[in-house]
Amino acid sequence: GENVEQHPSTLSVQEGDSAVIKCTYSDSASNYFPWYKQELGKGPQLIIDIRSNVGEKKDQRIAVTLNKTAKHFSLHITETQPEDSAVYFCAASAGSARQLTFGSGTQLTVLP
Amino acid sequence: NAGVTQTPKFQVLKTGQSMTLQCAQDMNHNSMYWYRQDPGMGLRLIYYSASEGTTDKGEVPDGYNVSRLKKQNFLLGLESAAPSQTSVYFCASTQGVNTGELFFGEGSRLTVL
Repeated sequence: GENVEQHPSTLSVQEGDSAVIKCTYSDSASNYFPWYKQELGKGPQLIIDIRSNVGEKKDQRIAVTLNKTAKHFSLHITETQPEDSAVYFCAASAGSARQLTFGSGTQLTVLP
Repeated sequence: NAGVTQTPKFQVLKTGQSMTLQCAQDMNHNSMYWYRQDPGMGLRLIYYSASEGTTDKGEVPDGYNVSRLKKQNFLLGLESAAPSQTSVYFCASTQGVNTGELFFGEGSRLTVL
């Protein structure tokens, strides 16, 4: 089955700096790569996703890049703000939602 | 504006006790899922239901059972709770079985003593 590794497990940045979280996956058939943000005491919420026919996708301060050859994808957050502090999960799927495999999560802390 | 609602939010059980976690969604979604979240392990799929009346095992189904009698409800049962089932449980739903946004509830924290 699919295996998704996520790094780092914790990340602290100064407000205004950029943050990068990286994930690698094992199944070359995976074609859908979402990122979820989980605030304290809440359920995960989708913030951005990318499909395998696209190399990069942006949404305001958030961007995701995908390298299918190397089987890795990354989340980039620019101009970080305190409200960006949360746990971020990457995931990968070869087709259906039930096949979605999550990474172990990254605790991002934005220091004021 | 409820989305996915889970009850209870917190529960403490003794080993061997049984309980049911309830999940309700008001988005008319066809597919529903139960995940468990453990430190350092991300989210792991316990069971899912592609449509009303159907259920199937996920990655970690042992010790659990599920029921999807109504489209809006998905129940997760623990027949004989074990300390290894101490976790935070999340219910989620999607419109269909194909990839798309998972809508999660706020979680149910279960402690088994």
